[in-house]
Amino acid sequence: AQSVTQLDSHVSVSEGTPVLLRCNYSSSYSPSLFWYVQHPNKGLQLLLKYTSAATLVKGINGFEAEFKKSETSFHLTKPSAHMSDAAEYFCVVSGGSNYKLTFGKGTLLTVNP
Amino acid sequence: ETGVTQTPRHLVMGMTNKKSLKCEQHLGHNAMYWYKQSAKKPLELMFVYSLEERVENNSVPSRFSPECPNSSHLFLHLHTLQPEDSALYLCASKPGQGWHEQFFGPGTRLTVL
Repeated sequence: AQSVTQLDSHVSVSEGTPVLLRCNYSSSYSPSLFWYVQHPNKGLQLLLKYTSAATLVKGINGFEAEFKKSETSFHLTKPSAHMSDAAEYFCVVSGGSNYKLTFGKGTLLTVNP
Repeated sequence: ETGVTQTPRHLVMGMTNKKSLKCEQHLGHNAMYWYKQSAKKPLELMFVYSLEERVENNSVPSRFSPECPNSSHLFLHLHTLQPEDSALYLCASKPGQGWHEQFFGPGTRLTVL
């Protein structure tokens, strides 16, 4: 069994300040972990993925995430928020099943000017 | 753009109508998915097809009927829907064995009156 908990349903930051979106996971297997982003009325776009290689993963648009097995965490960060980063972000875990993903409930990121 | 397309992008239908949603990918992917995304709820997996065979049916009401005529096309046939079926319906595809991440289409925004 596997599960994902996104600790904040809504995060609000000012443009140019750091972003931290928190995610904890639970998995009976060695998981693959992902972050997806969804802009309004759009589909989900893959930001980055962890698949048991380097624990610090770099993604698109300056985002990165660190896999910490001891803390069962996979938090998403970005040094400096941009207005275009305003969207909903989903933490996702895969493992044990060849085709199923388990999605978190999402974190809505608001970026203030 | 992920290479997964969905039509129509918006659909309004009455409860007695019959309509179909279409998903298409020419990426050579072997698995295709239908998800339902409702406001304030996690993403719900509805159906999974792997190599044109349905491998998952997540207790979806029979008023939703999927069809996968070949590995590039996936349909969701709708009939006698309820207002609570109004949601964003997302299609996704996956390359195949050994891949975990899914590639999403832009979704169809369905409103049932």
